[in-house]
Amino acid sequence: QVQLVESGGGVVQPGRSLRLSCAASGFTFSNFGLYWVRQAPGKGLEWVALISSDGGNKYHADSVKGRFTISRDNTKNTLYLQMNSLRAEDTAVYYCAKDRGVLGYFDWSVDYWGQGTLVTVSS
Amino acid sequence: QSALTQPASVSGSPGQSITISCTGTSNDVGSYNFVSWYQQYPGNAPKLMIFEVNNRPSGVSNRFSGSKSGNTASLTISGLQAEDEADYYCCSHAGNYVVFGGGTKLTVL
Repeated sequence: QVQLVESGGGVVQPGRSLRLSCAASGFTFSNFGLYWVRQAPGKGLEWVALISSDGGNKYHADSVKGRFTISRDNTKNTLYLQMNSLRAEDTAVYYCAKDRGVLGYFDWSVDYWGQGTLVTVSS
Repeated sequence: QSALTQPASVSGSPGQSITISCTGTSNDVGSYNFVSWYQQYPGNAPKLMIFEVNNRPSGVSNRFSGSKSGNTASLTISGLQAEDEADYYCCSHAGNYVVFGGGTKLTVL
């Protein structure tokens, strides 16, 4: 069964950095595009970043561009999100998510989600 | 990268049908047949209900259906049940990014 397990969340001061990880299992990791999606407390879903199956294509939301970087290690079946210059408005549950498409083809829909990891940016 | 527009809330009685709209632009919903819908219960991760405008994943009830016309996509839930009470989000491909709707809270009266 597909599992996505996020880690690395916590409380961090504004301006500091944090790296989130997502350990995947139950599918051929290197065949699928992946996303980070966040949800601020009591708010809706917000797409953060996406990465292609081979890691060659990466795109970030304007709200995090230049501060966050998505990456993956297909030898470790792990997705990452490096978050720098954190702001209070980055406070959210961060979900790791798998694209439904196969063999590197993006379907632009998420068929599996992790349980999420909470990032709180506060002094 | 503006969010898609959804009604904040909709409601219906058991057995009735409801439709949730999702309005985007010619840069997202209007240009791609990659609209998806997600159901989310409080404290839980979202669940895929519809992909590619009108396709249901295995295991999703056929009471859920999707459609699109121009820049607006819609999710219809027929035969409303108490368990359908949840938040619903639409999502669209938009070139090199993805955009979600603001979410709709469905109340089953």
